[in-house]
This record gives sequence, structure tokens and C-alpha cells, in this order.
Amino acid sequence: NAGVTQTPKFQVLKTGQSMTLQCAQDMNHNSMYWYRQDPGMGLRLIYYSASEGTTDKGEVPNGYNVSRLNKREFSLRLESAAPSQTSVYFCASSEAARTVGYTFGSGTRLTVV
Amino acid sequence: GQQVMQIPQYQHVQEGEDFTTYCNSSTTLSNIQWYKQRPGGHPVFLIQLVKSGEVKKQKRLTFQFGEAKKNSSLHITATQTTDVGTYFCAGPSGNQFYFGTGTSLTVIP
Repeated sequence: NAGVTQTPKFQVLKTGQSMTLQCAQDMNHNSMYWYRQDPGMGLRLIYYSASEGTTDKGEVPNGYNVSRLNKREFSLRLESAAPSQTSVYFCASSEAARTVGYTFGSGTRLTVV
Repeated sequence: GQQVMQIPQYQHVQEGEDFTTYCNSSTTLSNIQWYKQRPGGHPVFLIQLVKSGEVKKQKRLTFQFGEAKKNSSLHITATQTTDVGTYFCAGPSGNQFYFGTGTSLTVIP
């Protein structure tokens, strides 16, 4: 099993450009999440999807949109990238919303110049 | 939202020494999770604690959940170079977990 697959692994954007980060899981998990990780800030939740067909904002949703395309896939879109969005982005999934451990993808390192 | 504070932020130990990281919450937690992230890697789930006063062991790692369910600790006995990484605790709020800022462990051979 691949677990949680994120693409791309690295990306450099110019300010104002848009892009979509892709995430897919093959574990039949109900819940999926997008986190960003910045030095000294830990992991901060951007958006999550507790189940297929639902999405909700996390701690830091401004500047992002998400789509739960189906049970397997959860994408994160930056409509107009800003330097403050330079970060490492992790997708994660879990069987249920808050009672079991998360499985994380390997991350996308995004630089906005 | 939920505030989960972790201390220390950094810890350097000689190989063979013990290591402890602490996680504190301002509110009672229904459960708490611990994760490990190797340098350049992604967080990996280690364990979940649910019961008040619960203690769980994984080889040299001992996890403890406080009696009041507001704090937790991870203790590593006789650290090895393979223990290097950042250890995060995470506490639930609503349908999500809030992660602490992590403790970065460096093990000096």
C-alpha cells in the first residue's frame, strides 16, 4: 500500500501564480486533512474533510481552498500565491475524525518568490 | 481553539542519556496522540493515550497521560542516534487535532 501520496514534492511559484496540491489515500479512510509546517510553529491545520462531501476550515484557511473530489482524493488550491505561503504542506488521513492516529504524506515543499 | 504547549523546544543529549518532553493543555483532553518526525521526513503516529493516568511503553519509549488529562509526557530511556527527530503531541478539539510546537531532539554520539 502506498498510504498517502502527495504531488508534487517540490514547487517554486511566483507571487500571484496559482497551483493545486494533490493528495490521494488508498486506505479507505473517511477523514482527510491539510496542514502546513513552518519553523517553530509546529503543524497548523488549513482545512479538513471529516467525511466525503464535507469540508471545514482549520486554524489558517485564508488564501486556500480545498476540494474533496471523492473518498480517496483531497486537493488544496492556492489561488494567488504569496510569499507568506512558503511552507511545507502535509496531507494526512485517518479512519475517523479524532479517535485514531493520522497517516501523513511525505509533504510538498513550496517556495513562493 | 485548543492550545497544546510543548516543552522544551530543543534538547541535546549525549547518546545513552535519557530524554523527556512534556505536553500541557489548558483544557481537559479526551485523548492525546504522539508523533515522531525525522529530519526532512513526515510525522509518523506513535501512540494514543485515552485513560486518566495511563502509561504505555514501546521499547525504550514511555508515554504517560496525566491524572487530570491535561498533560502528557514522552520519556526515552538511553537515547540512541536513531531517536533523532522532532516529537509532537496532539490534542483533539472538534473534529480535528491541534499539534504542539514539538520538541527537537539531537543525540550526540
